[in-house]
Amino acid sequence: QSALTQPASVSGSPGQSITISCTGTSSDVGGYNFVSWYQHHPGKAPKLMIYDVSKWPSGVSNRFSGSKSGNTASLTISGLQAEDEADYYCCSYADSRTFVFGTGTKVTVL
Amino acid sequence: EVQLVESGGGLVQPGGSLRLSCAASGFTFSSYWMHWVRQSPGKGLVWVSRIKSDESSTSYADSVKGRFTISRDNAKNTLYVQMNSLRVEDTAVYYCARGNSFMDVWGKGTTVTVSS
Repeated sequence: QSALTQPASVSGSPGQSITISCTGTSSDVGGYNFVSWYQHHPGKAPKLMIYDVSKWPSGVSNRFSGSKSGNTASLTISGLQAEDEADYYCCSYADSRTFVFGTGTKVTVL
Repeated sequence: EVQLVESGGGLVQPGGSLRLSCAASGFTFSSYWMHWVRQSPGKGLVWVSRIKSDESSTSYADSVKGRFTISRDNAKNTLYVQMNSLRVEDTAVYYCARGNSFMDVWGKGTTVTVSS
């Protein structure tokens, strides 16, 4: 149950697009279409942004989009806004009915 | 309003026990799978455990298997985790979350500190 690998930090200017990668193995990301993404502001409850690789929960902006290729999932934030500055975590269903989160990515809006 | 509120955190010595609770409101608790997720100071989110809506299926992270037990009382709309043989590395904010293959509602967390 090793954590999925994410870049420690990603930054962009307002209006730009950024992409966060999430790399796992065939036992998690590559083996199941159950990748989700969470936005986490320190001290607050995490918020679901994408589920089942590319689906939007109700109320989440379509500026956030998800995809997957092989063992790597990605979250793209388009039209970056100041309010998007937060920590982002991917999560995947894995073998043995378990789950594994990514290492987390700090998004900074320049 | 859909809400999850964790409680039961505190300071405990290594080797001790603690039971966390998560009170659910605003939705049909008995219809949903539930999770526990934790975040140690300065670290990322880590999945801990999941339980099926009718308590017929549970799963655990290797790091807590055999020490933690997840359970629920659907009549009381409450999720629990019994934590035994606590270690310093179990120090974290513990969140409960609703969902099966993803977690769409989260509580604000309760803090557990394991220290002598």
